[in-house]
Amino acid sequence: DIQMTQSPSTLSASVGDRVTITCRASESISAWLAWYQQKPGKAPKLLIFEASSLESGVPSRFSGSGSGTEFTLTITSLQPDDFATYYCQQYYVFWTFGQGTKVEIK
Amino acid sequence: QVQLVESGGGVVQPGRSLRLSCAASGFTFSDHAMHWVRQAPGKGLEWVAVISYDGSNQEYRDSVKGRFTISRDNSNNTLFVQMNSLRTEDTAVYYCARDKAEGSDPFDIWGQGTLVTVSS
Repeated sequence: DIQMTQSPSTLSASVGDRVTITCRASESISAWLAWYQQKPGKAPKLLIFEASSLESGVPSRFSGSGSGTEFTLTITSLQPDDFATYYCQQYYVFWTFGQGTKVEIK
Repeated sequence: QVQLVESGGGVVQPGRSLRLSCAASGFTFSDHAMHWVRQAPGKGLEWVAVISYDGSNQEYRDSVKGRFTISRDNSNNTLFVQMNSLRTEDTAVYYCARDKAEGSDPFDIWGQGTLVTVSS
């Protein structure tokens, strides 16, 4: 099974900050990686697919990069609506999620 | 609008069964593979099962193989999961989710989730 490891687990940031979350795969997954945002009590929302493609309707302050085993999600100029938990997901072999990164208010 | 609505959750004793449903609307249901994903209280997301667009293929995570069965009714735009021999560790919010394309893709539409509690 492919394992996904996110870092950090929790991130404290302020509105306007640039935020970066890292996701590492236990083996190469090419660019078959997605990022999701989840708010408490709500379903996850797809943000990024194929490592760097922005899902329709997602603000351009979200971006993704990476390939192989290392990936990043970057939020430029963090907005109040962005405080949430973020998950990476590989879909190279079945589907596996990272453990999540909670972005909280500093 | 594009929507998935789950139903069927509840409290069930260990060893018993439960069937969840997911009603789809606003898109051509039969064009997409569909998934079940779960989230235990306070925990992360865990993929459970997938079914191909026409129902001919299914895959499961190891921990539910032989106990859960995913199925679909394309004439009624509904996805199901039959959960047998339930365990306390199956307690979670269960989401149905649409595969972005043909079955090897991320999930672009999610339902609101339905809570399954397995407890004596």
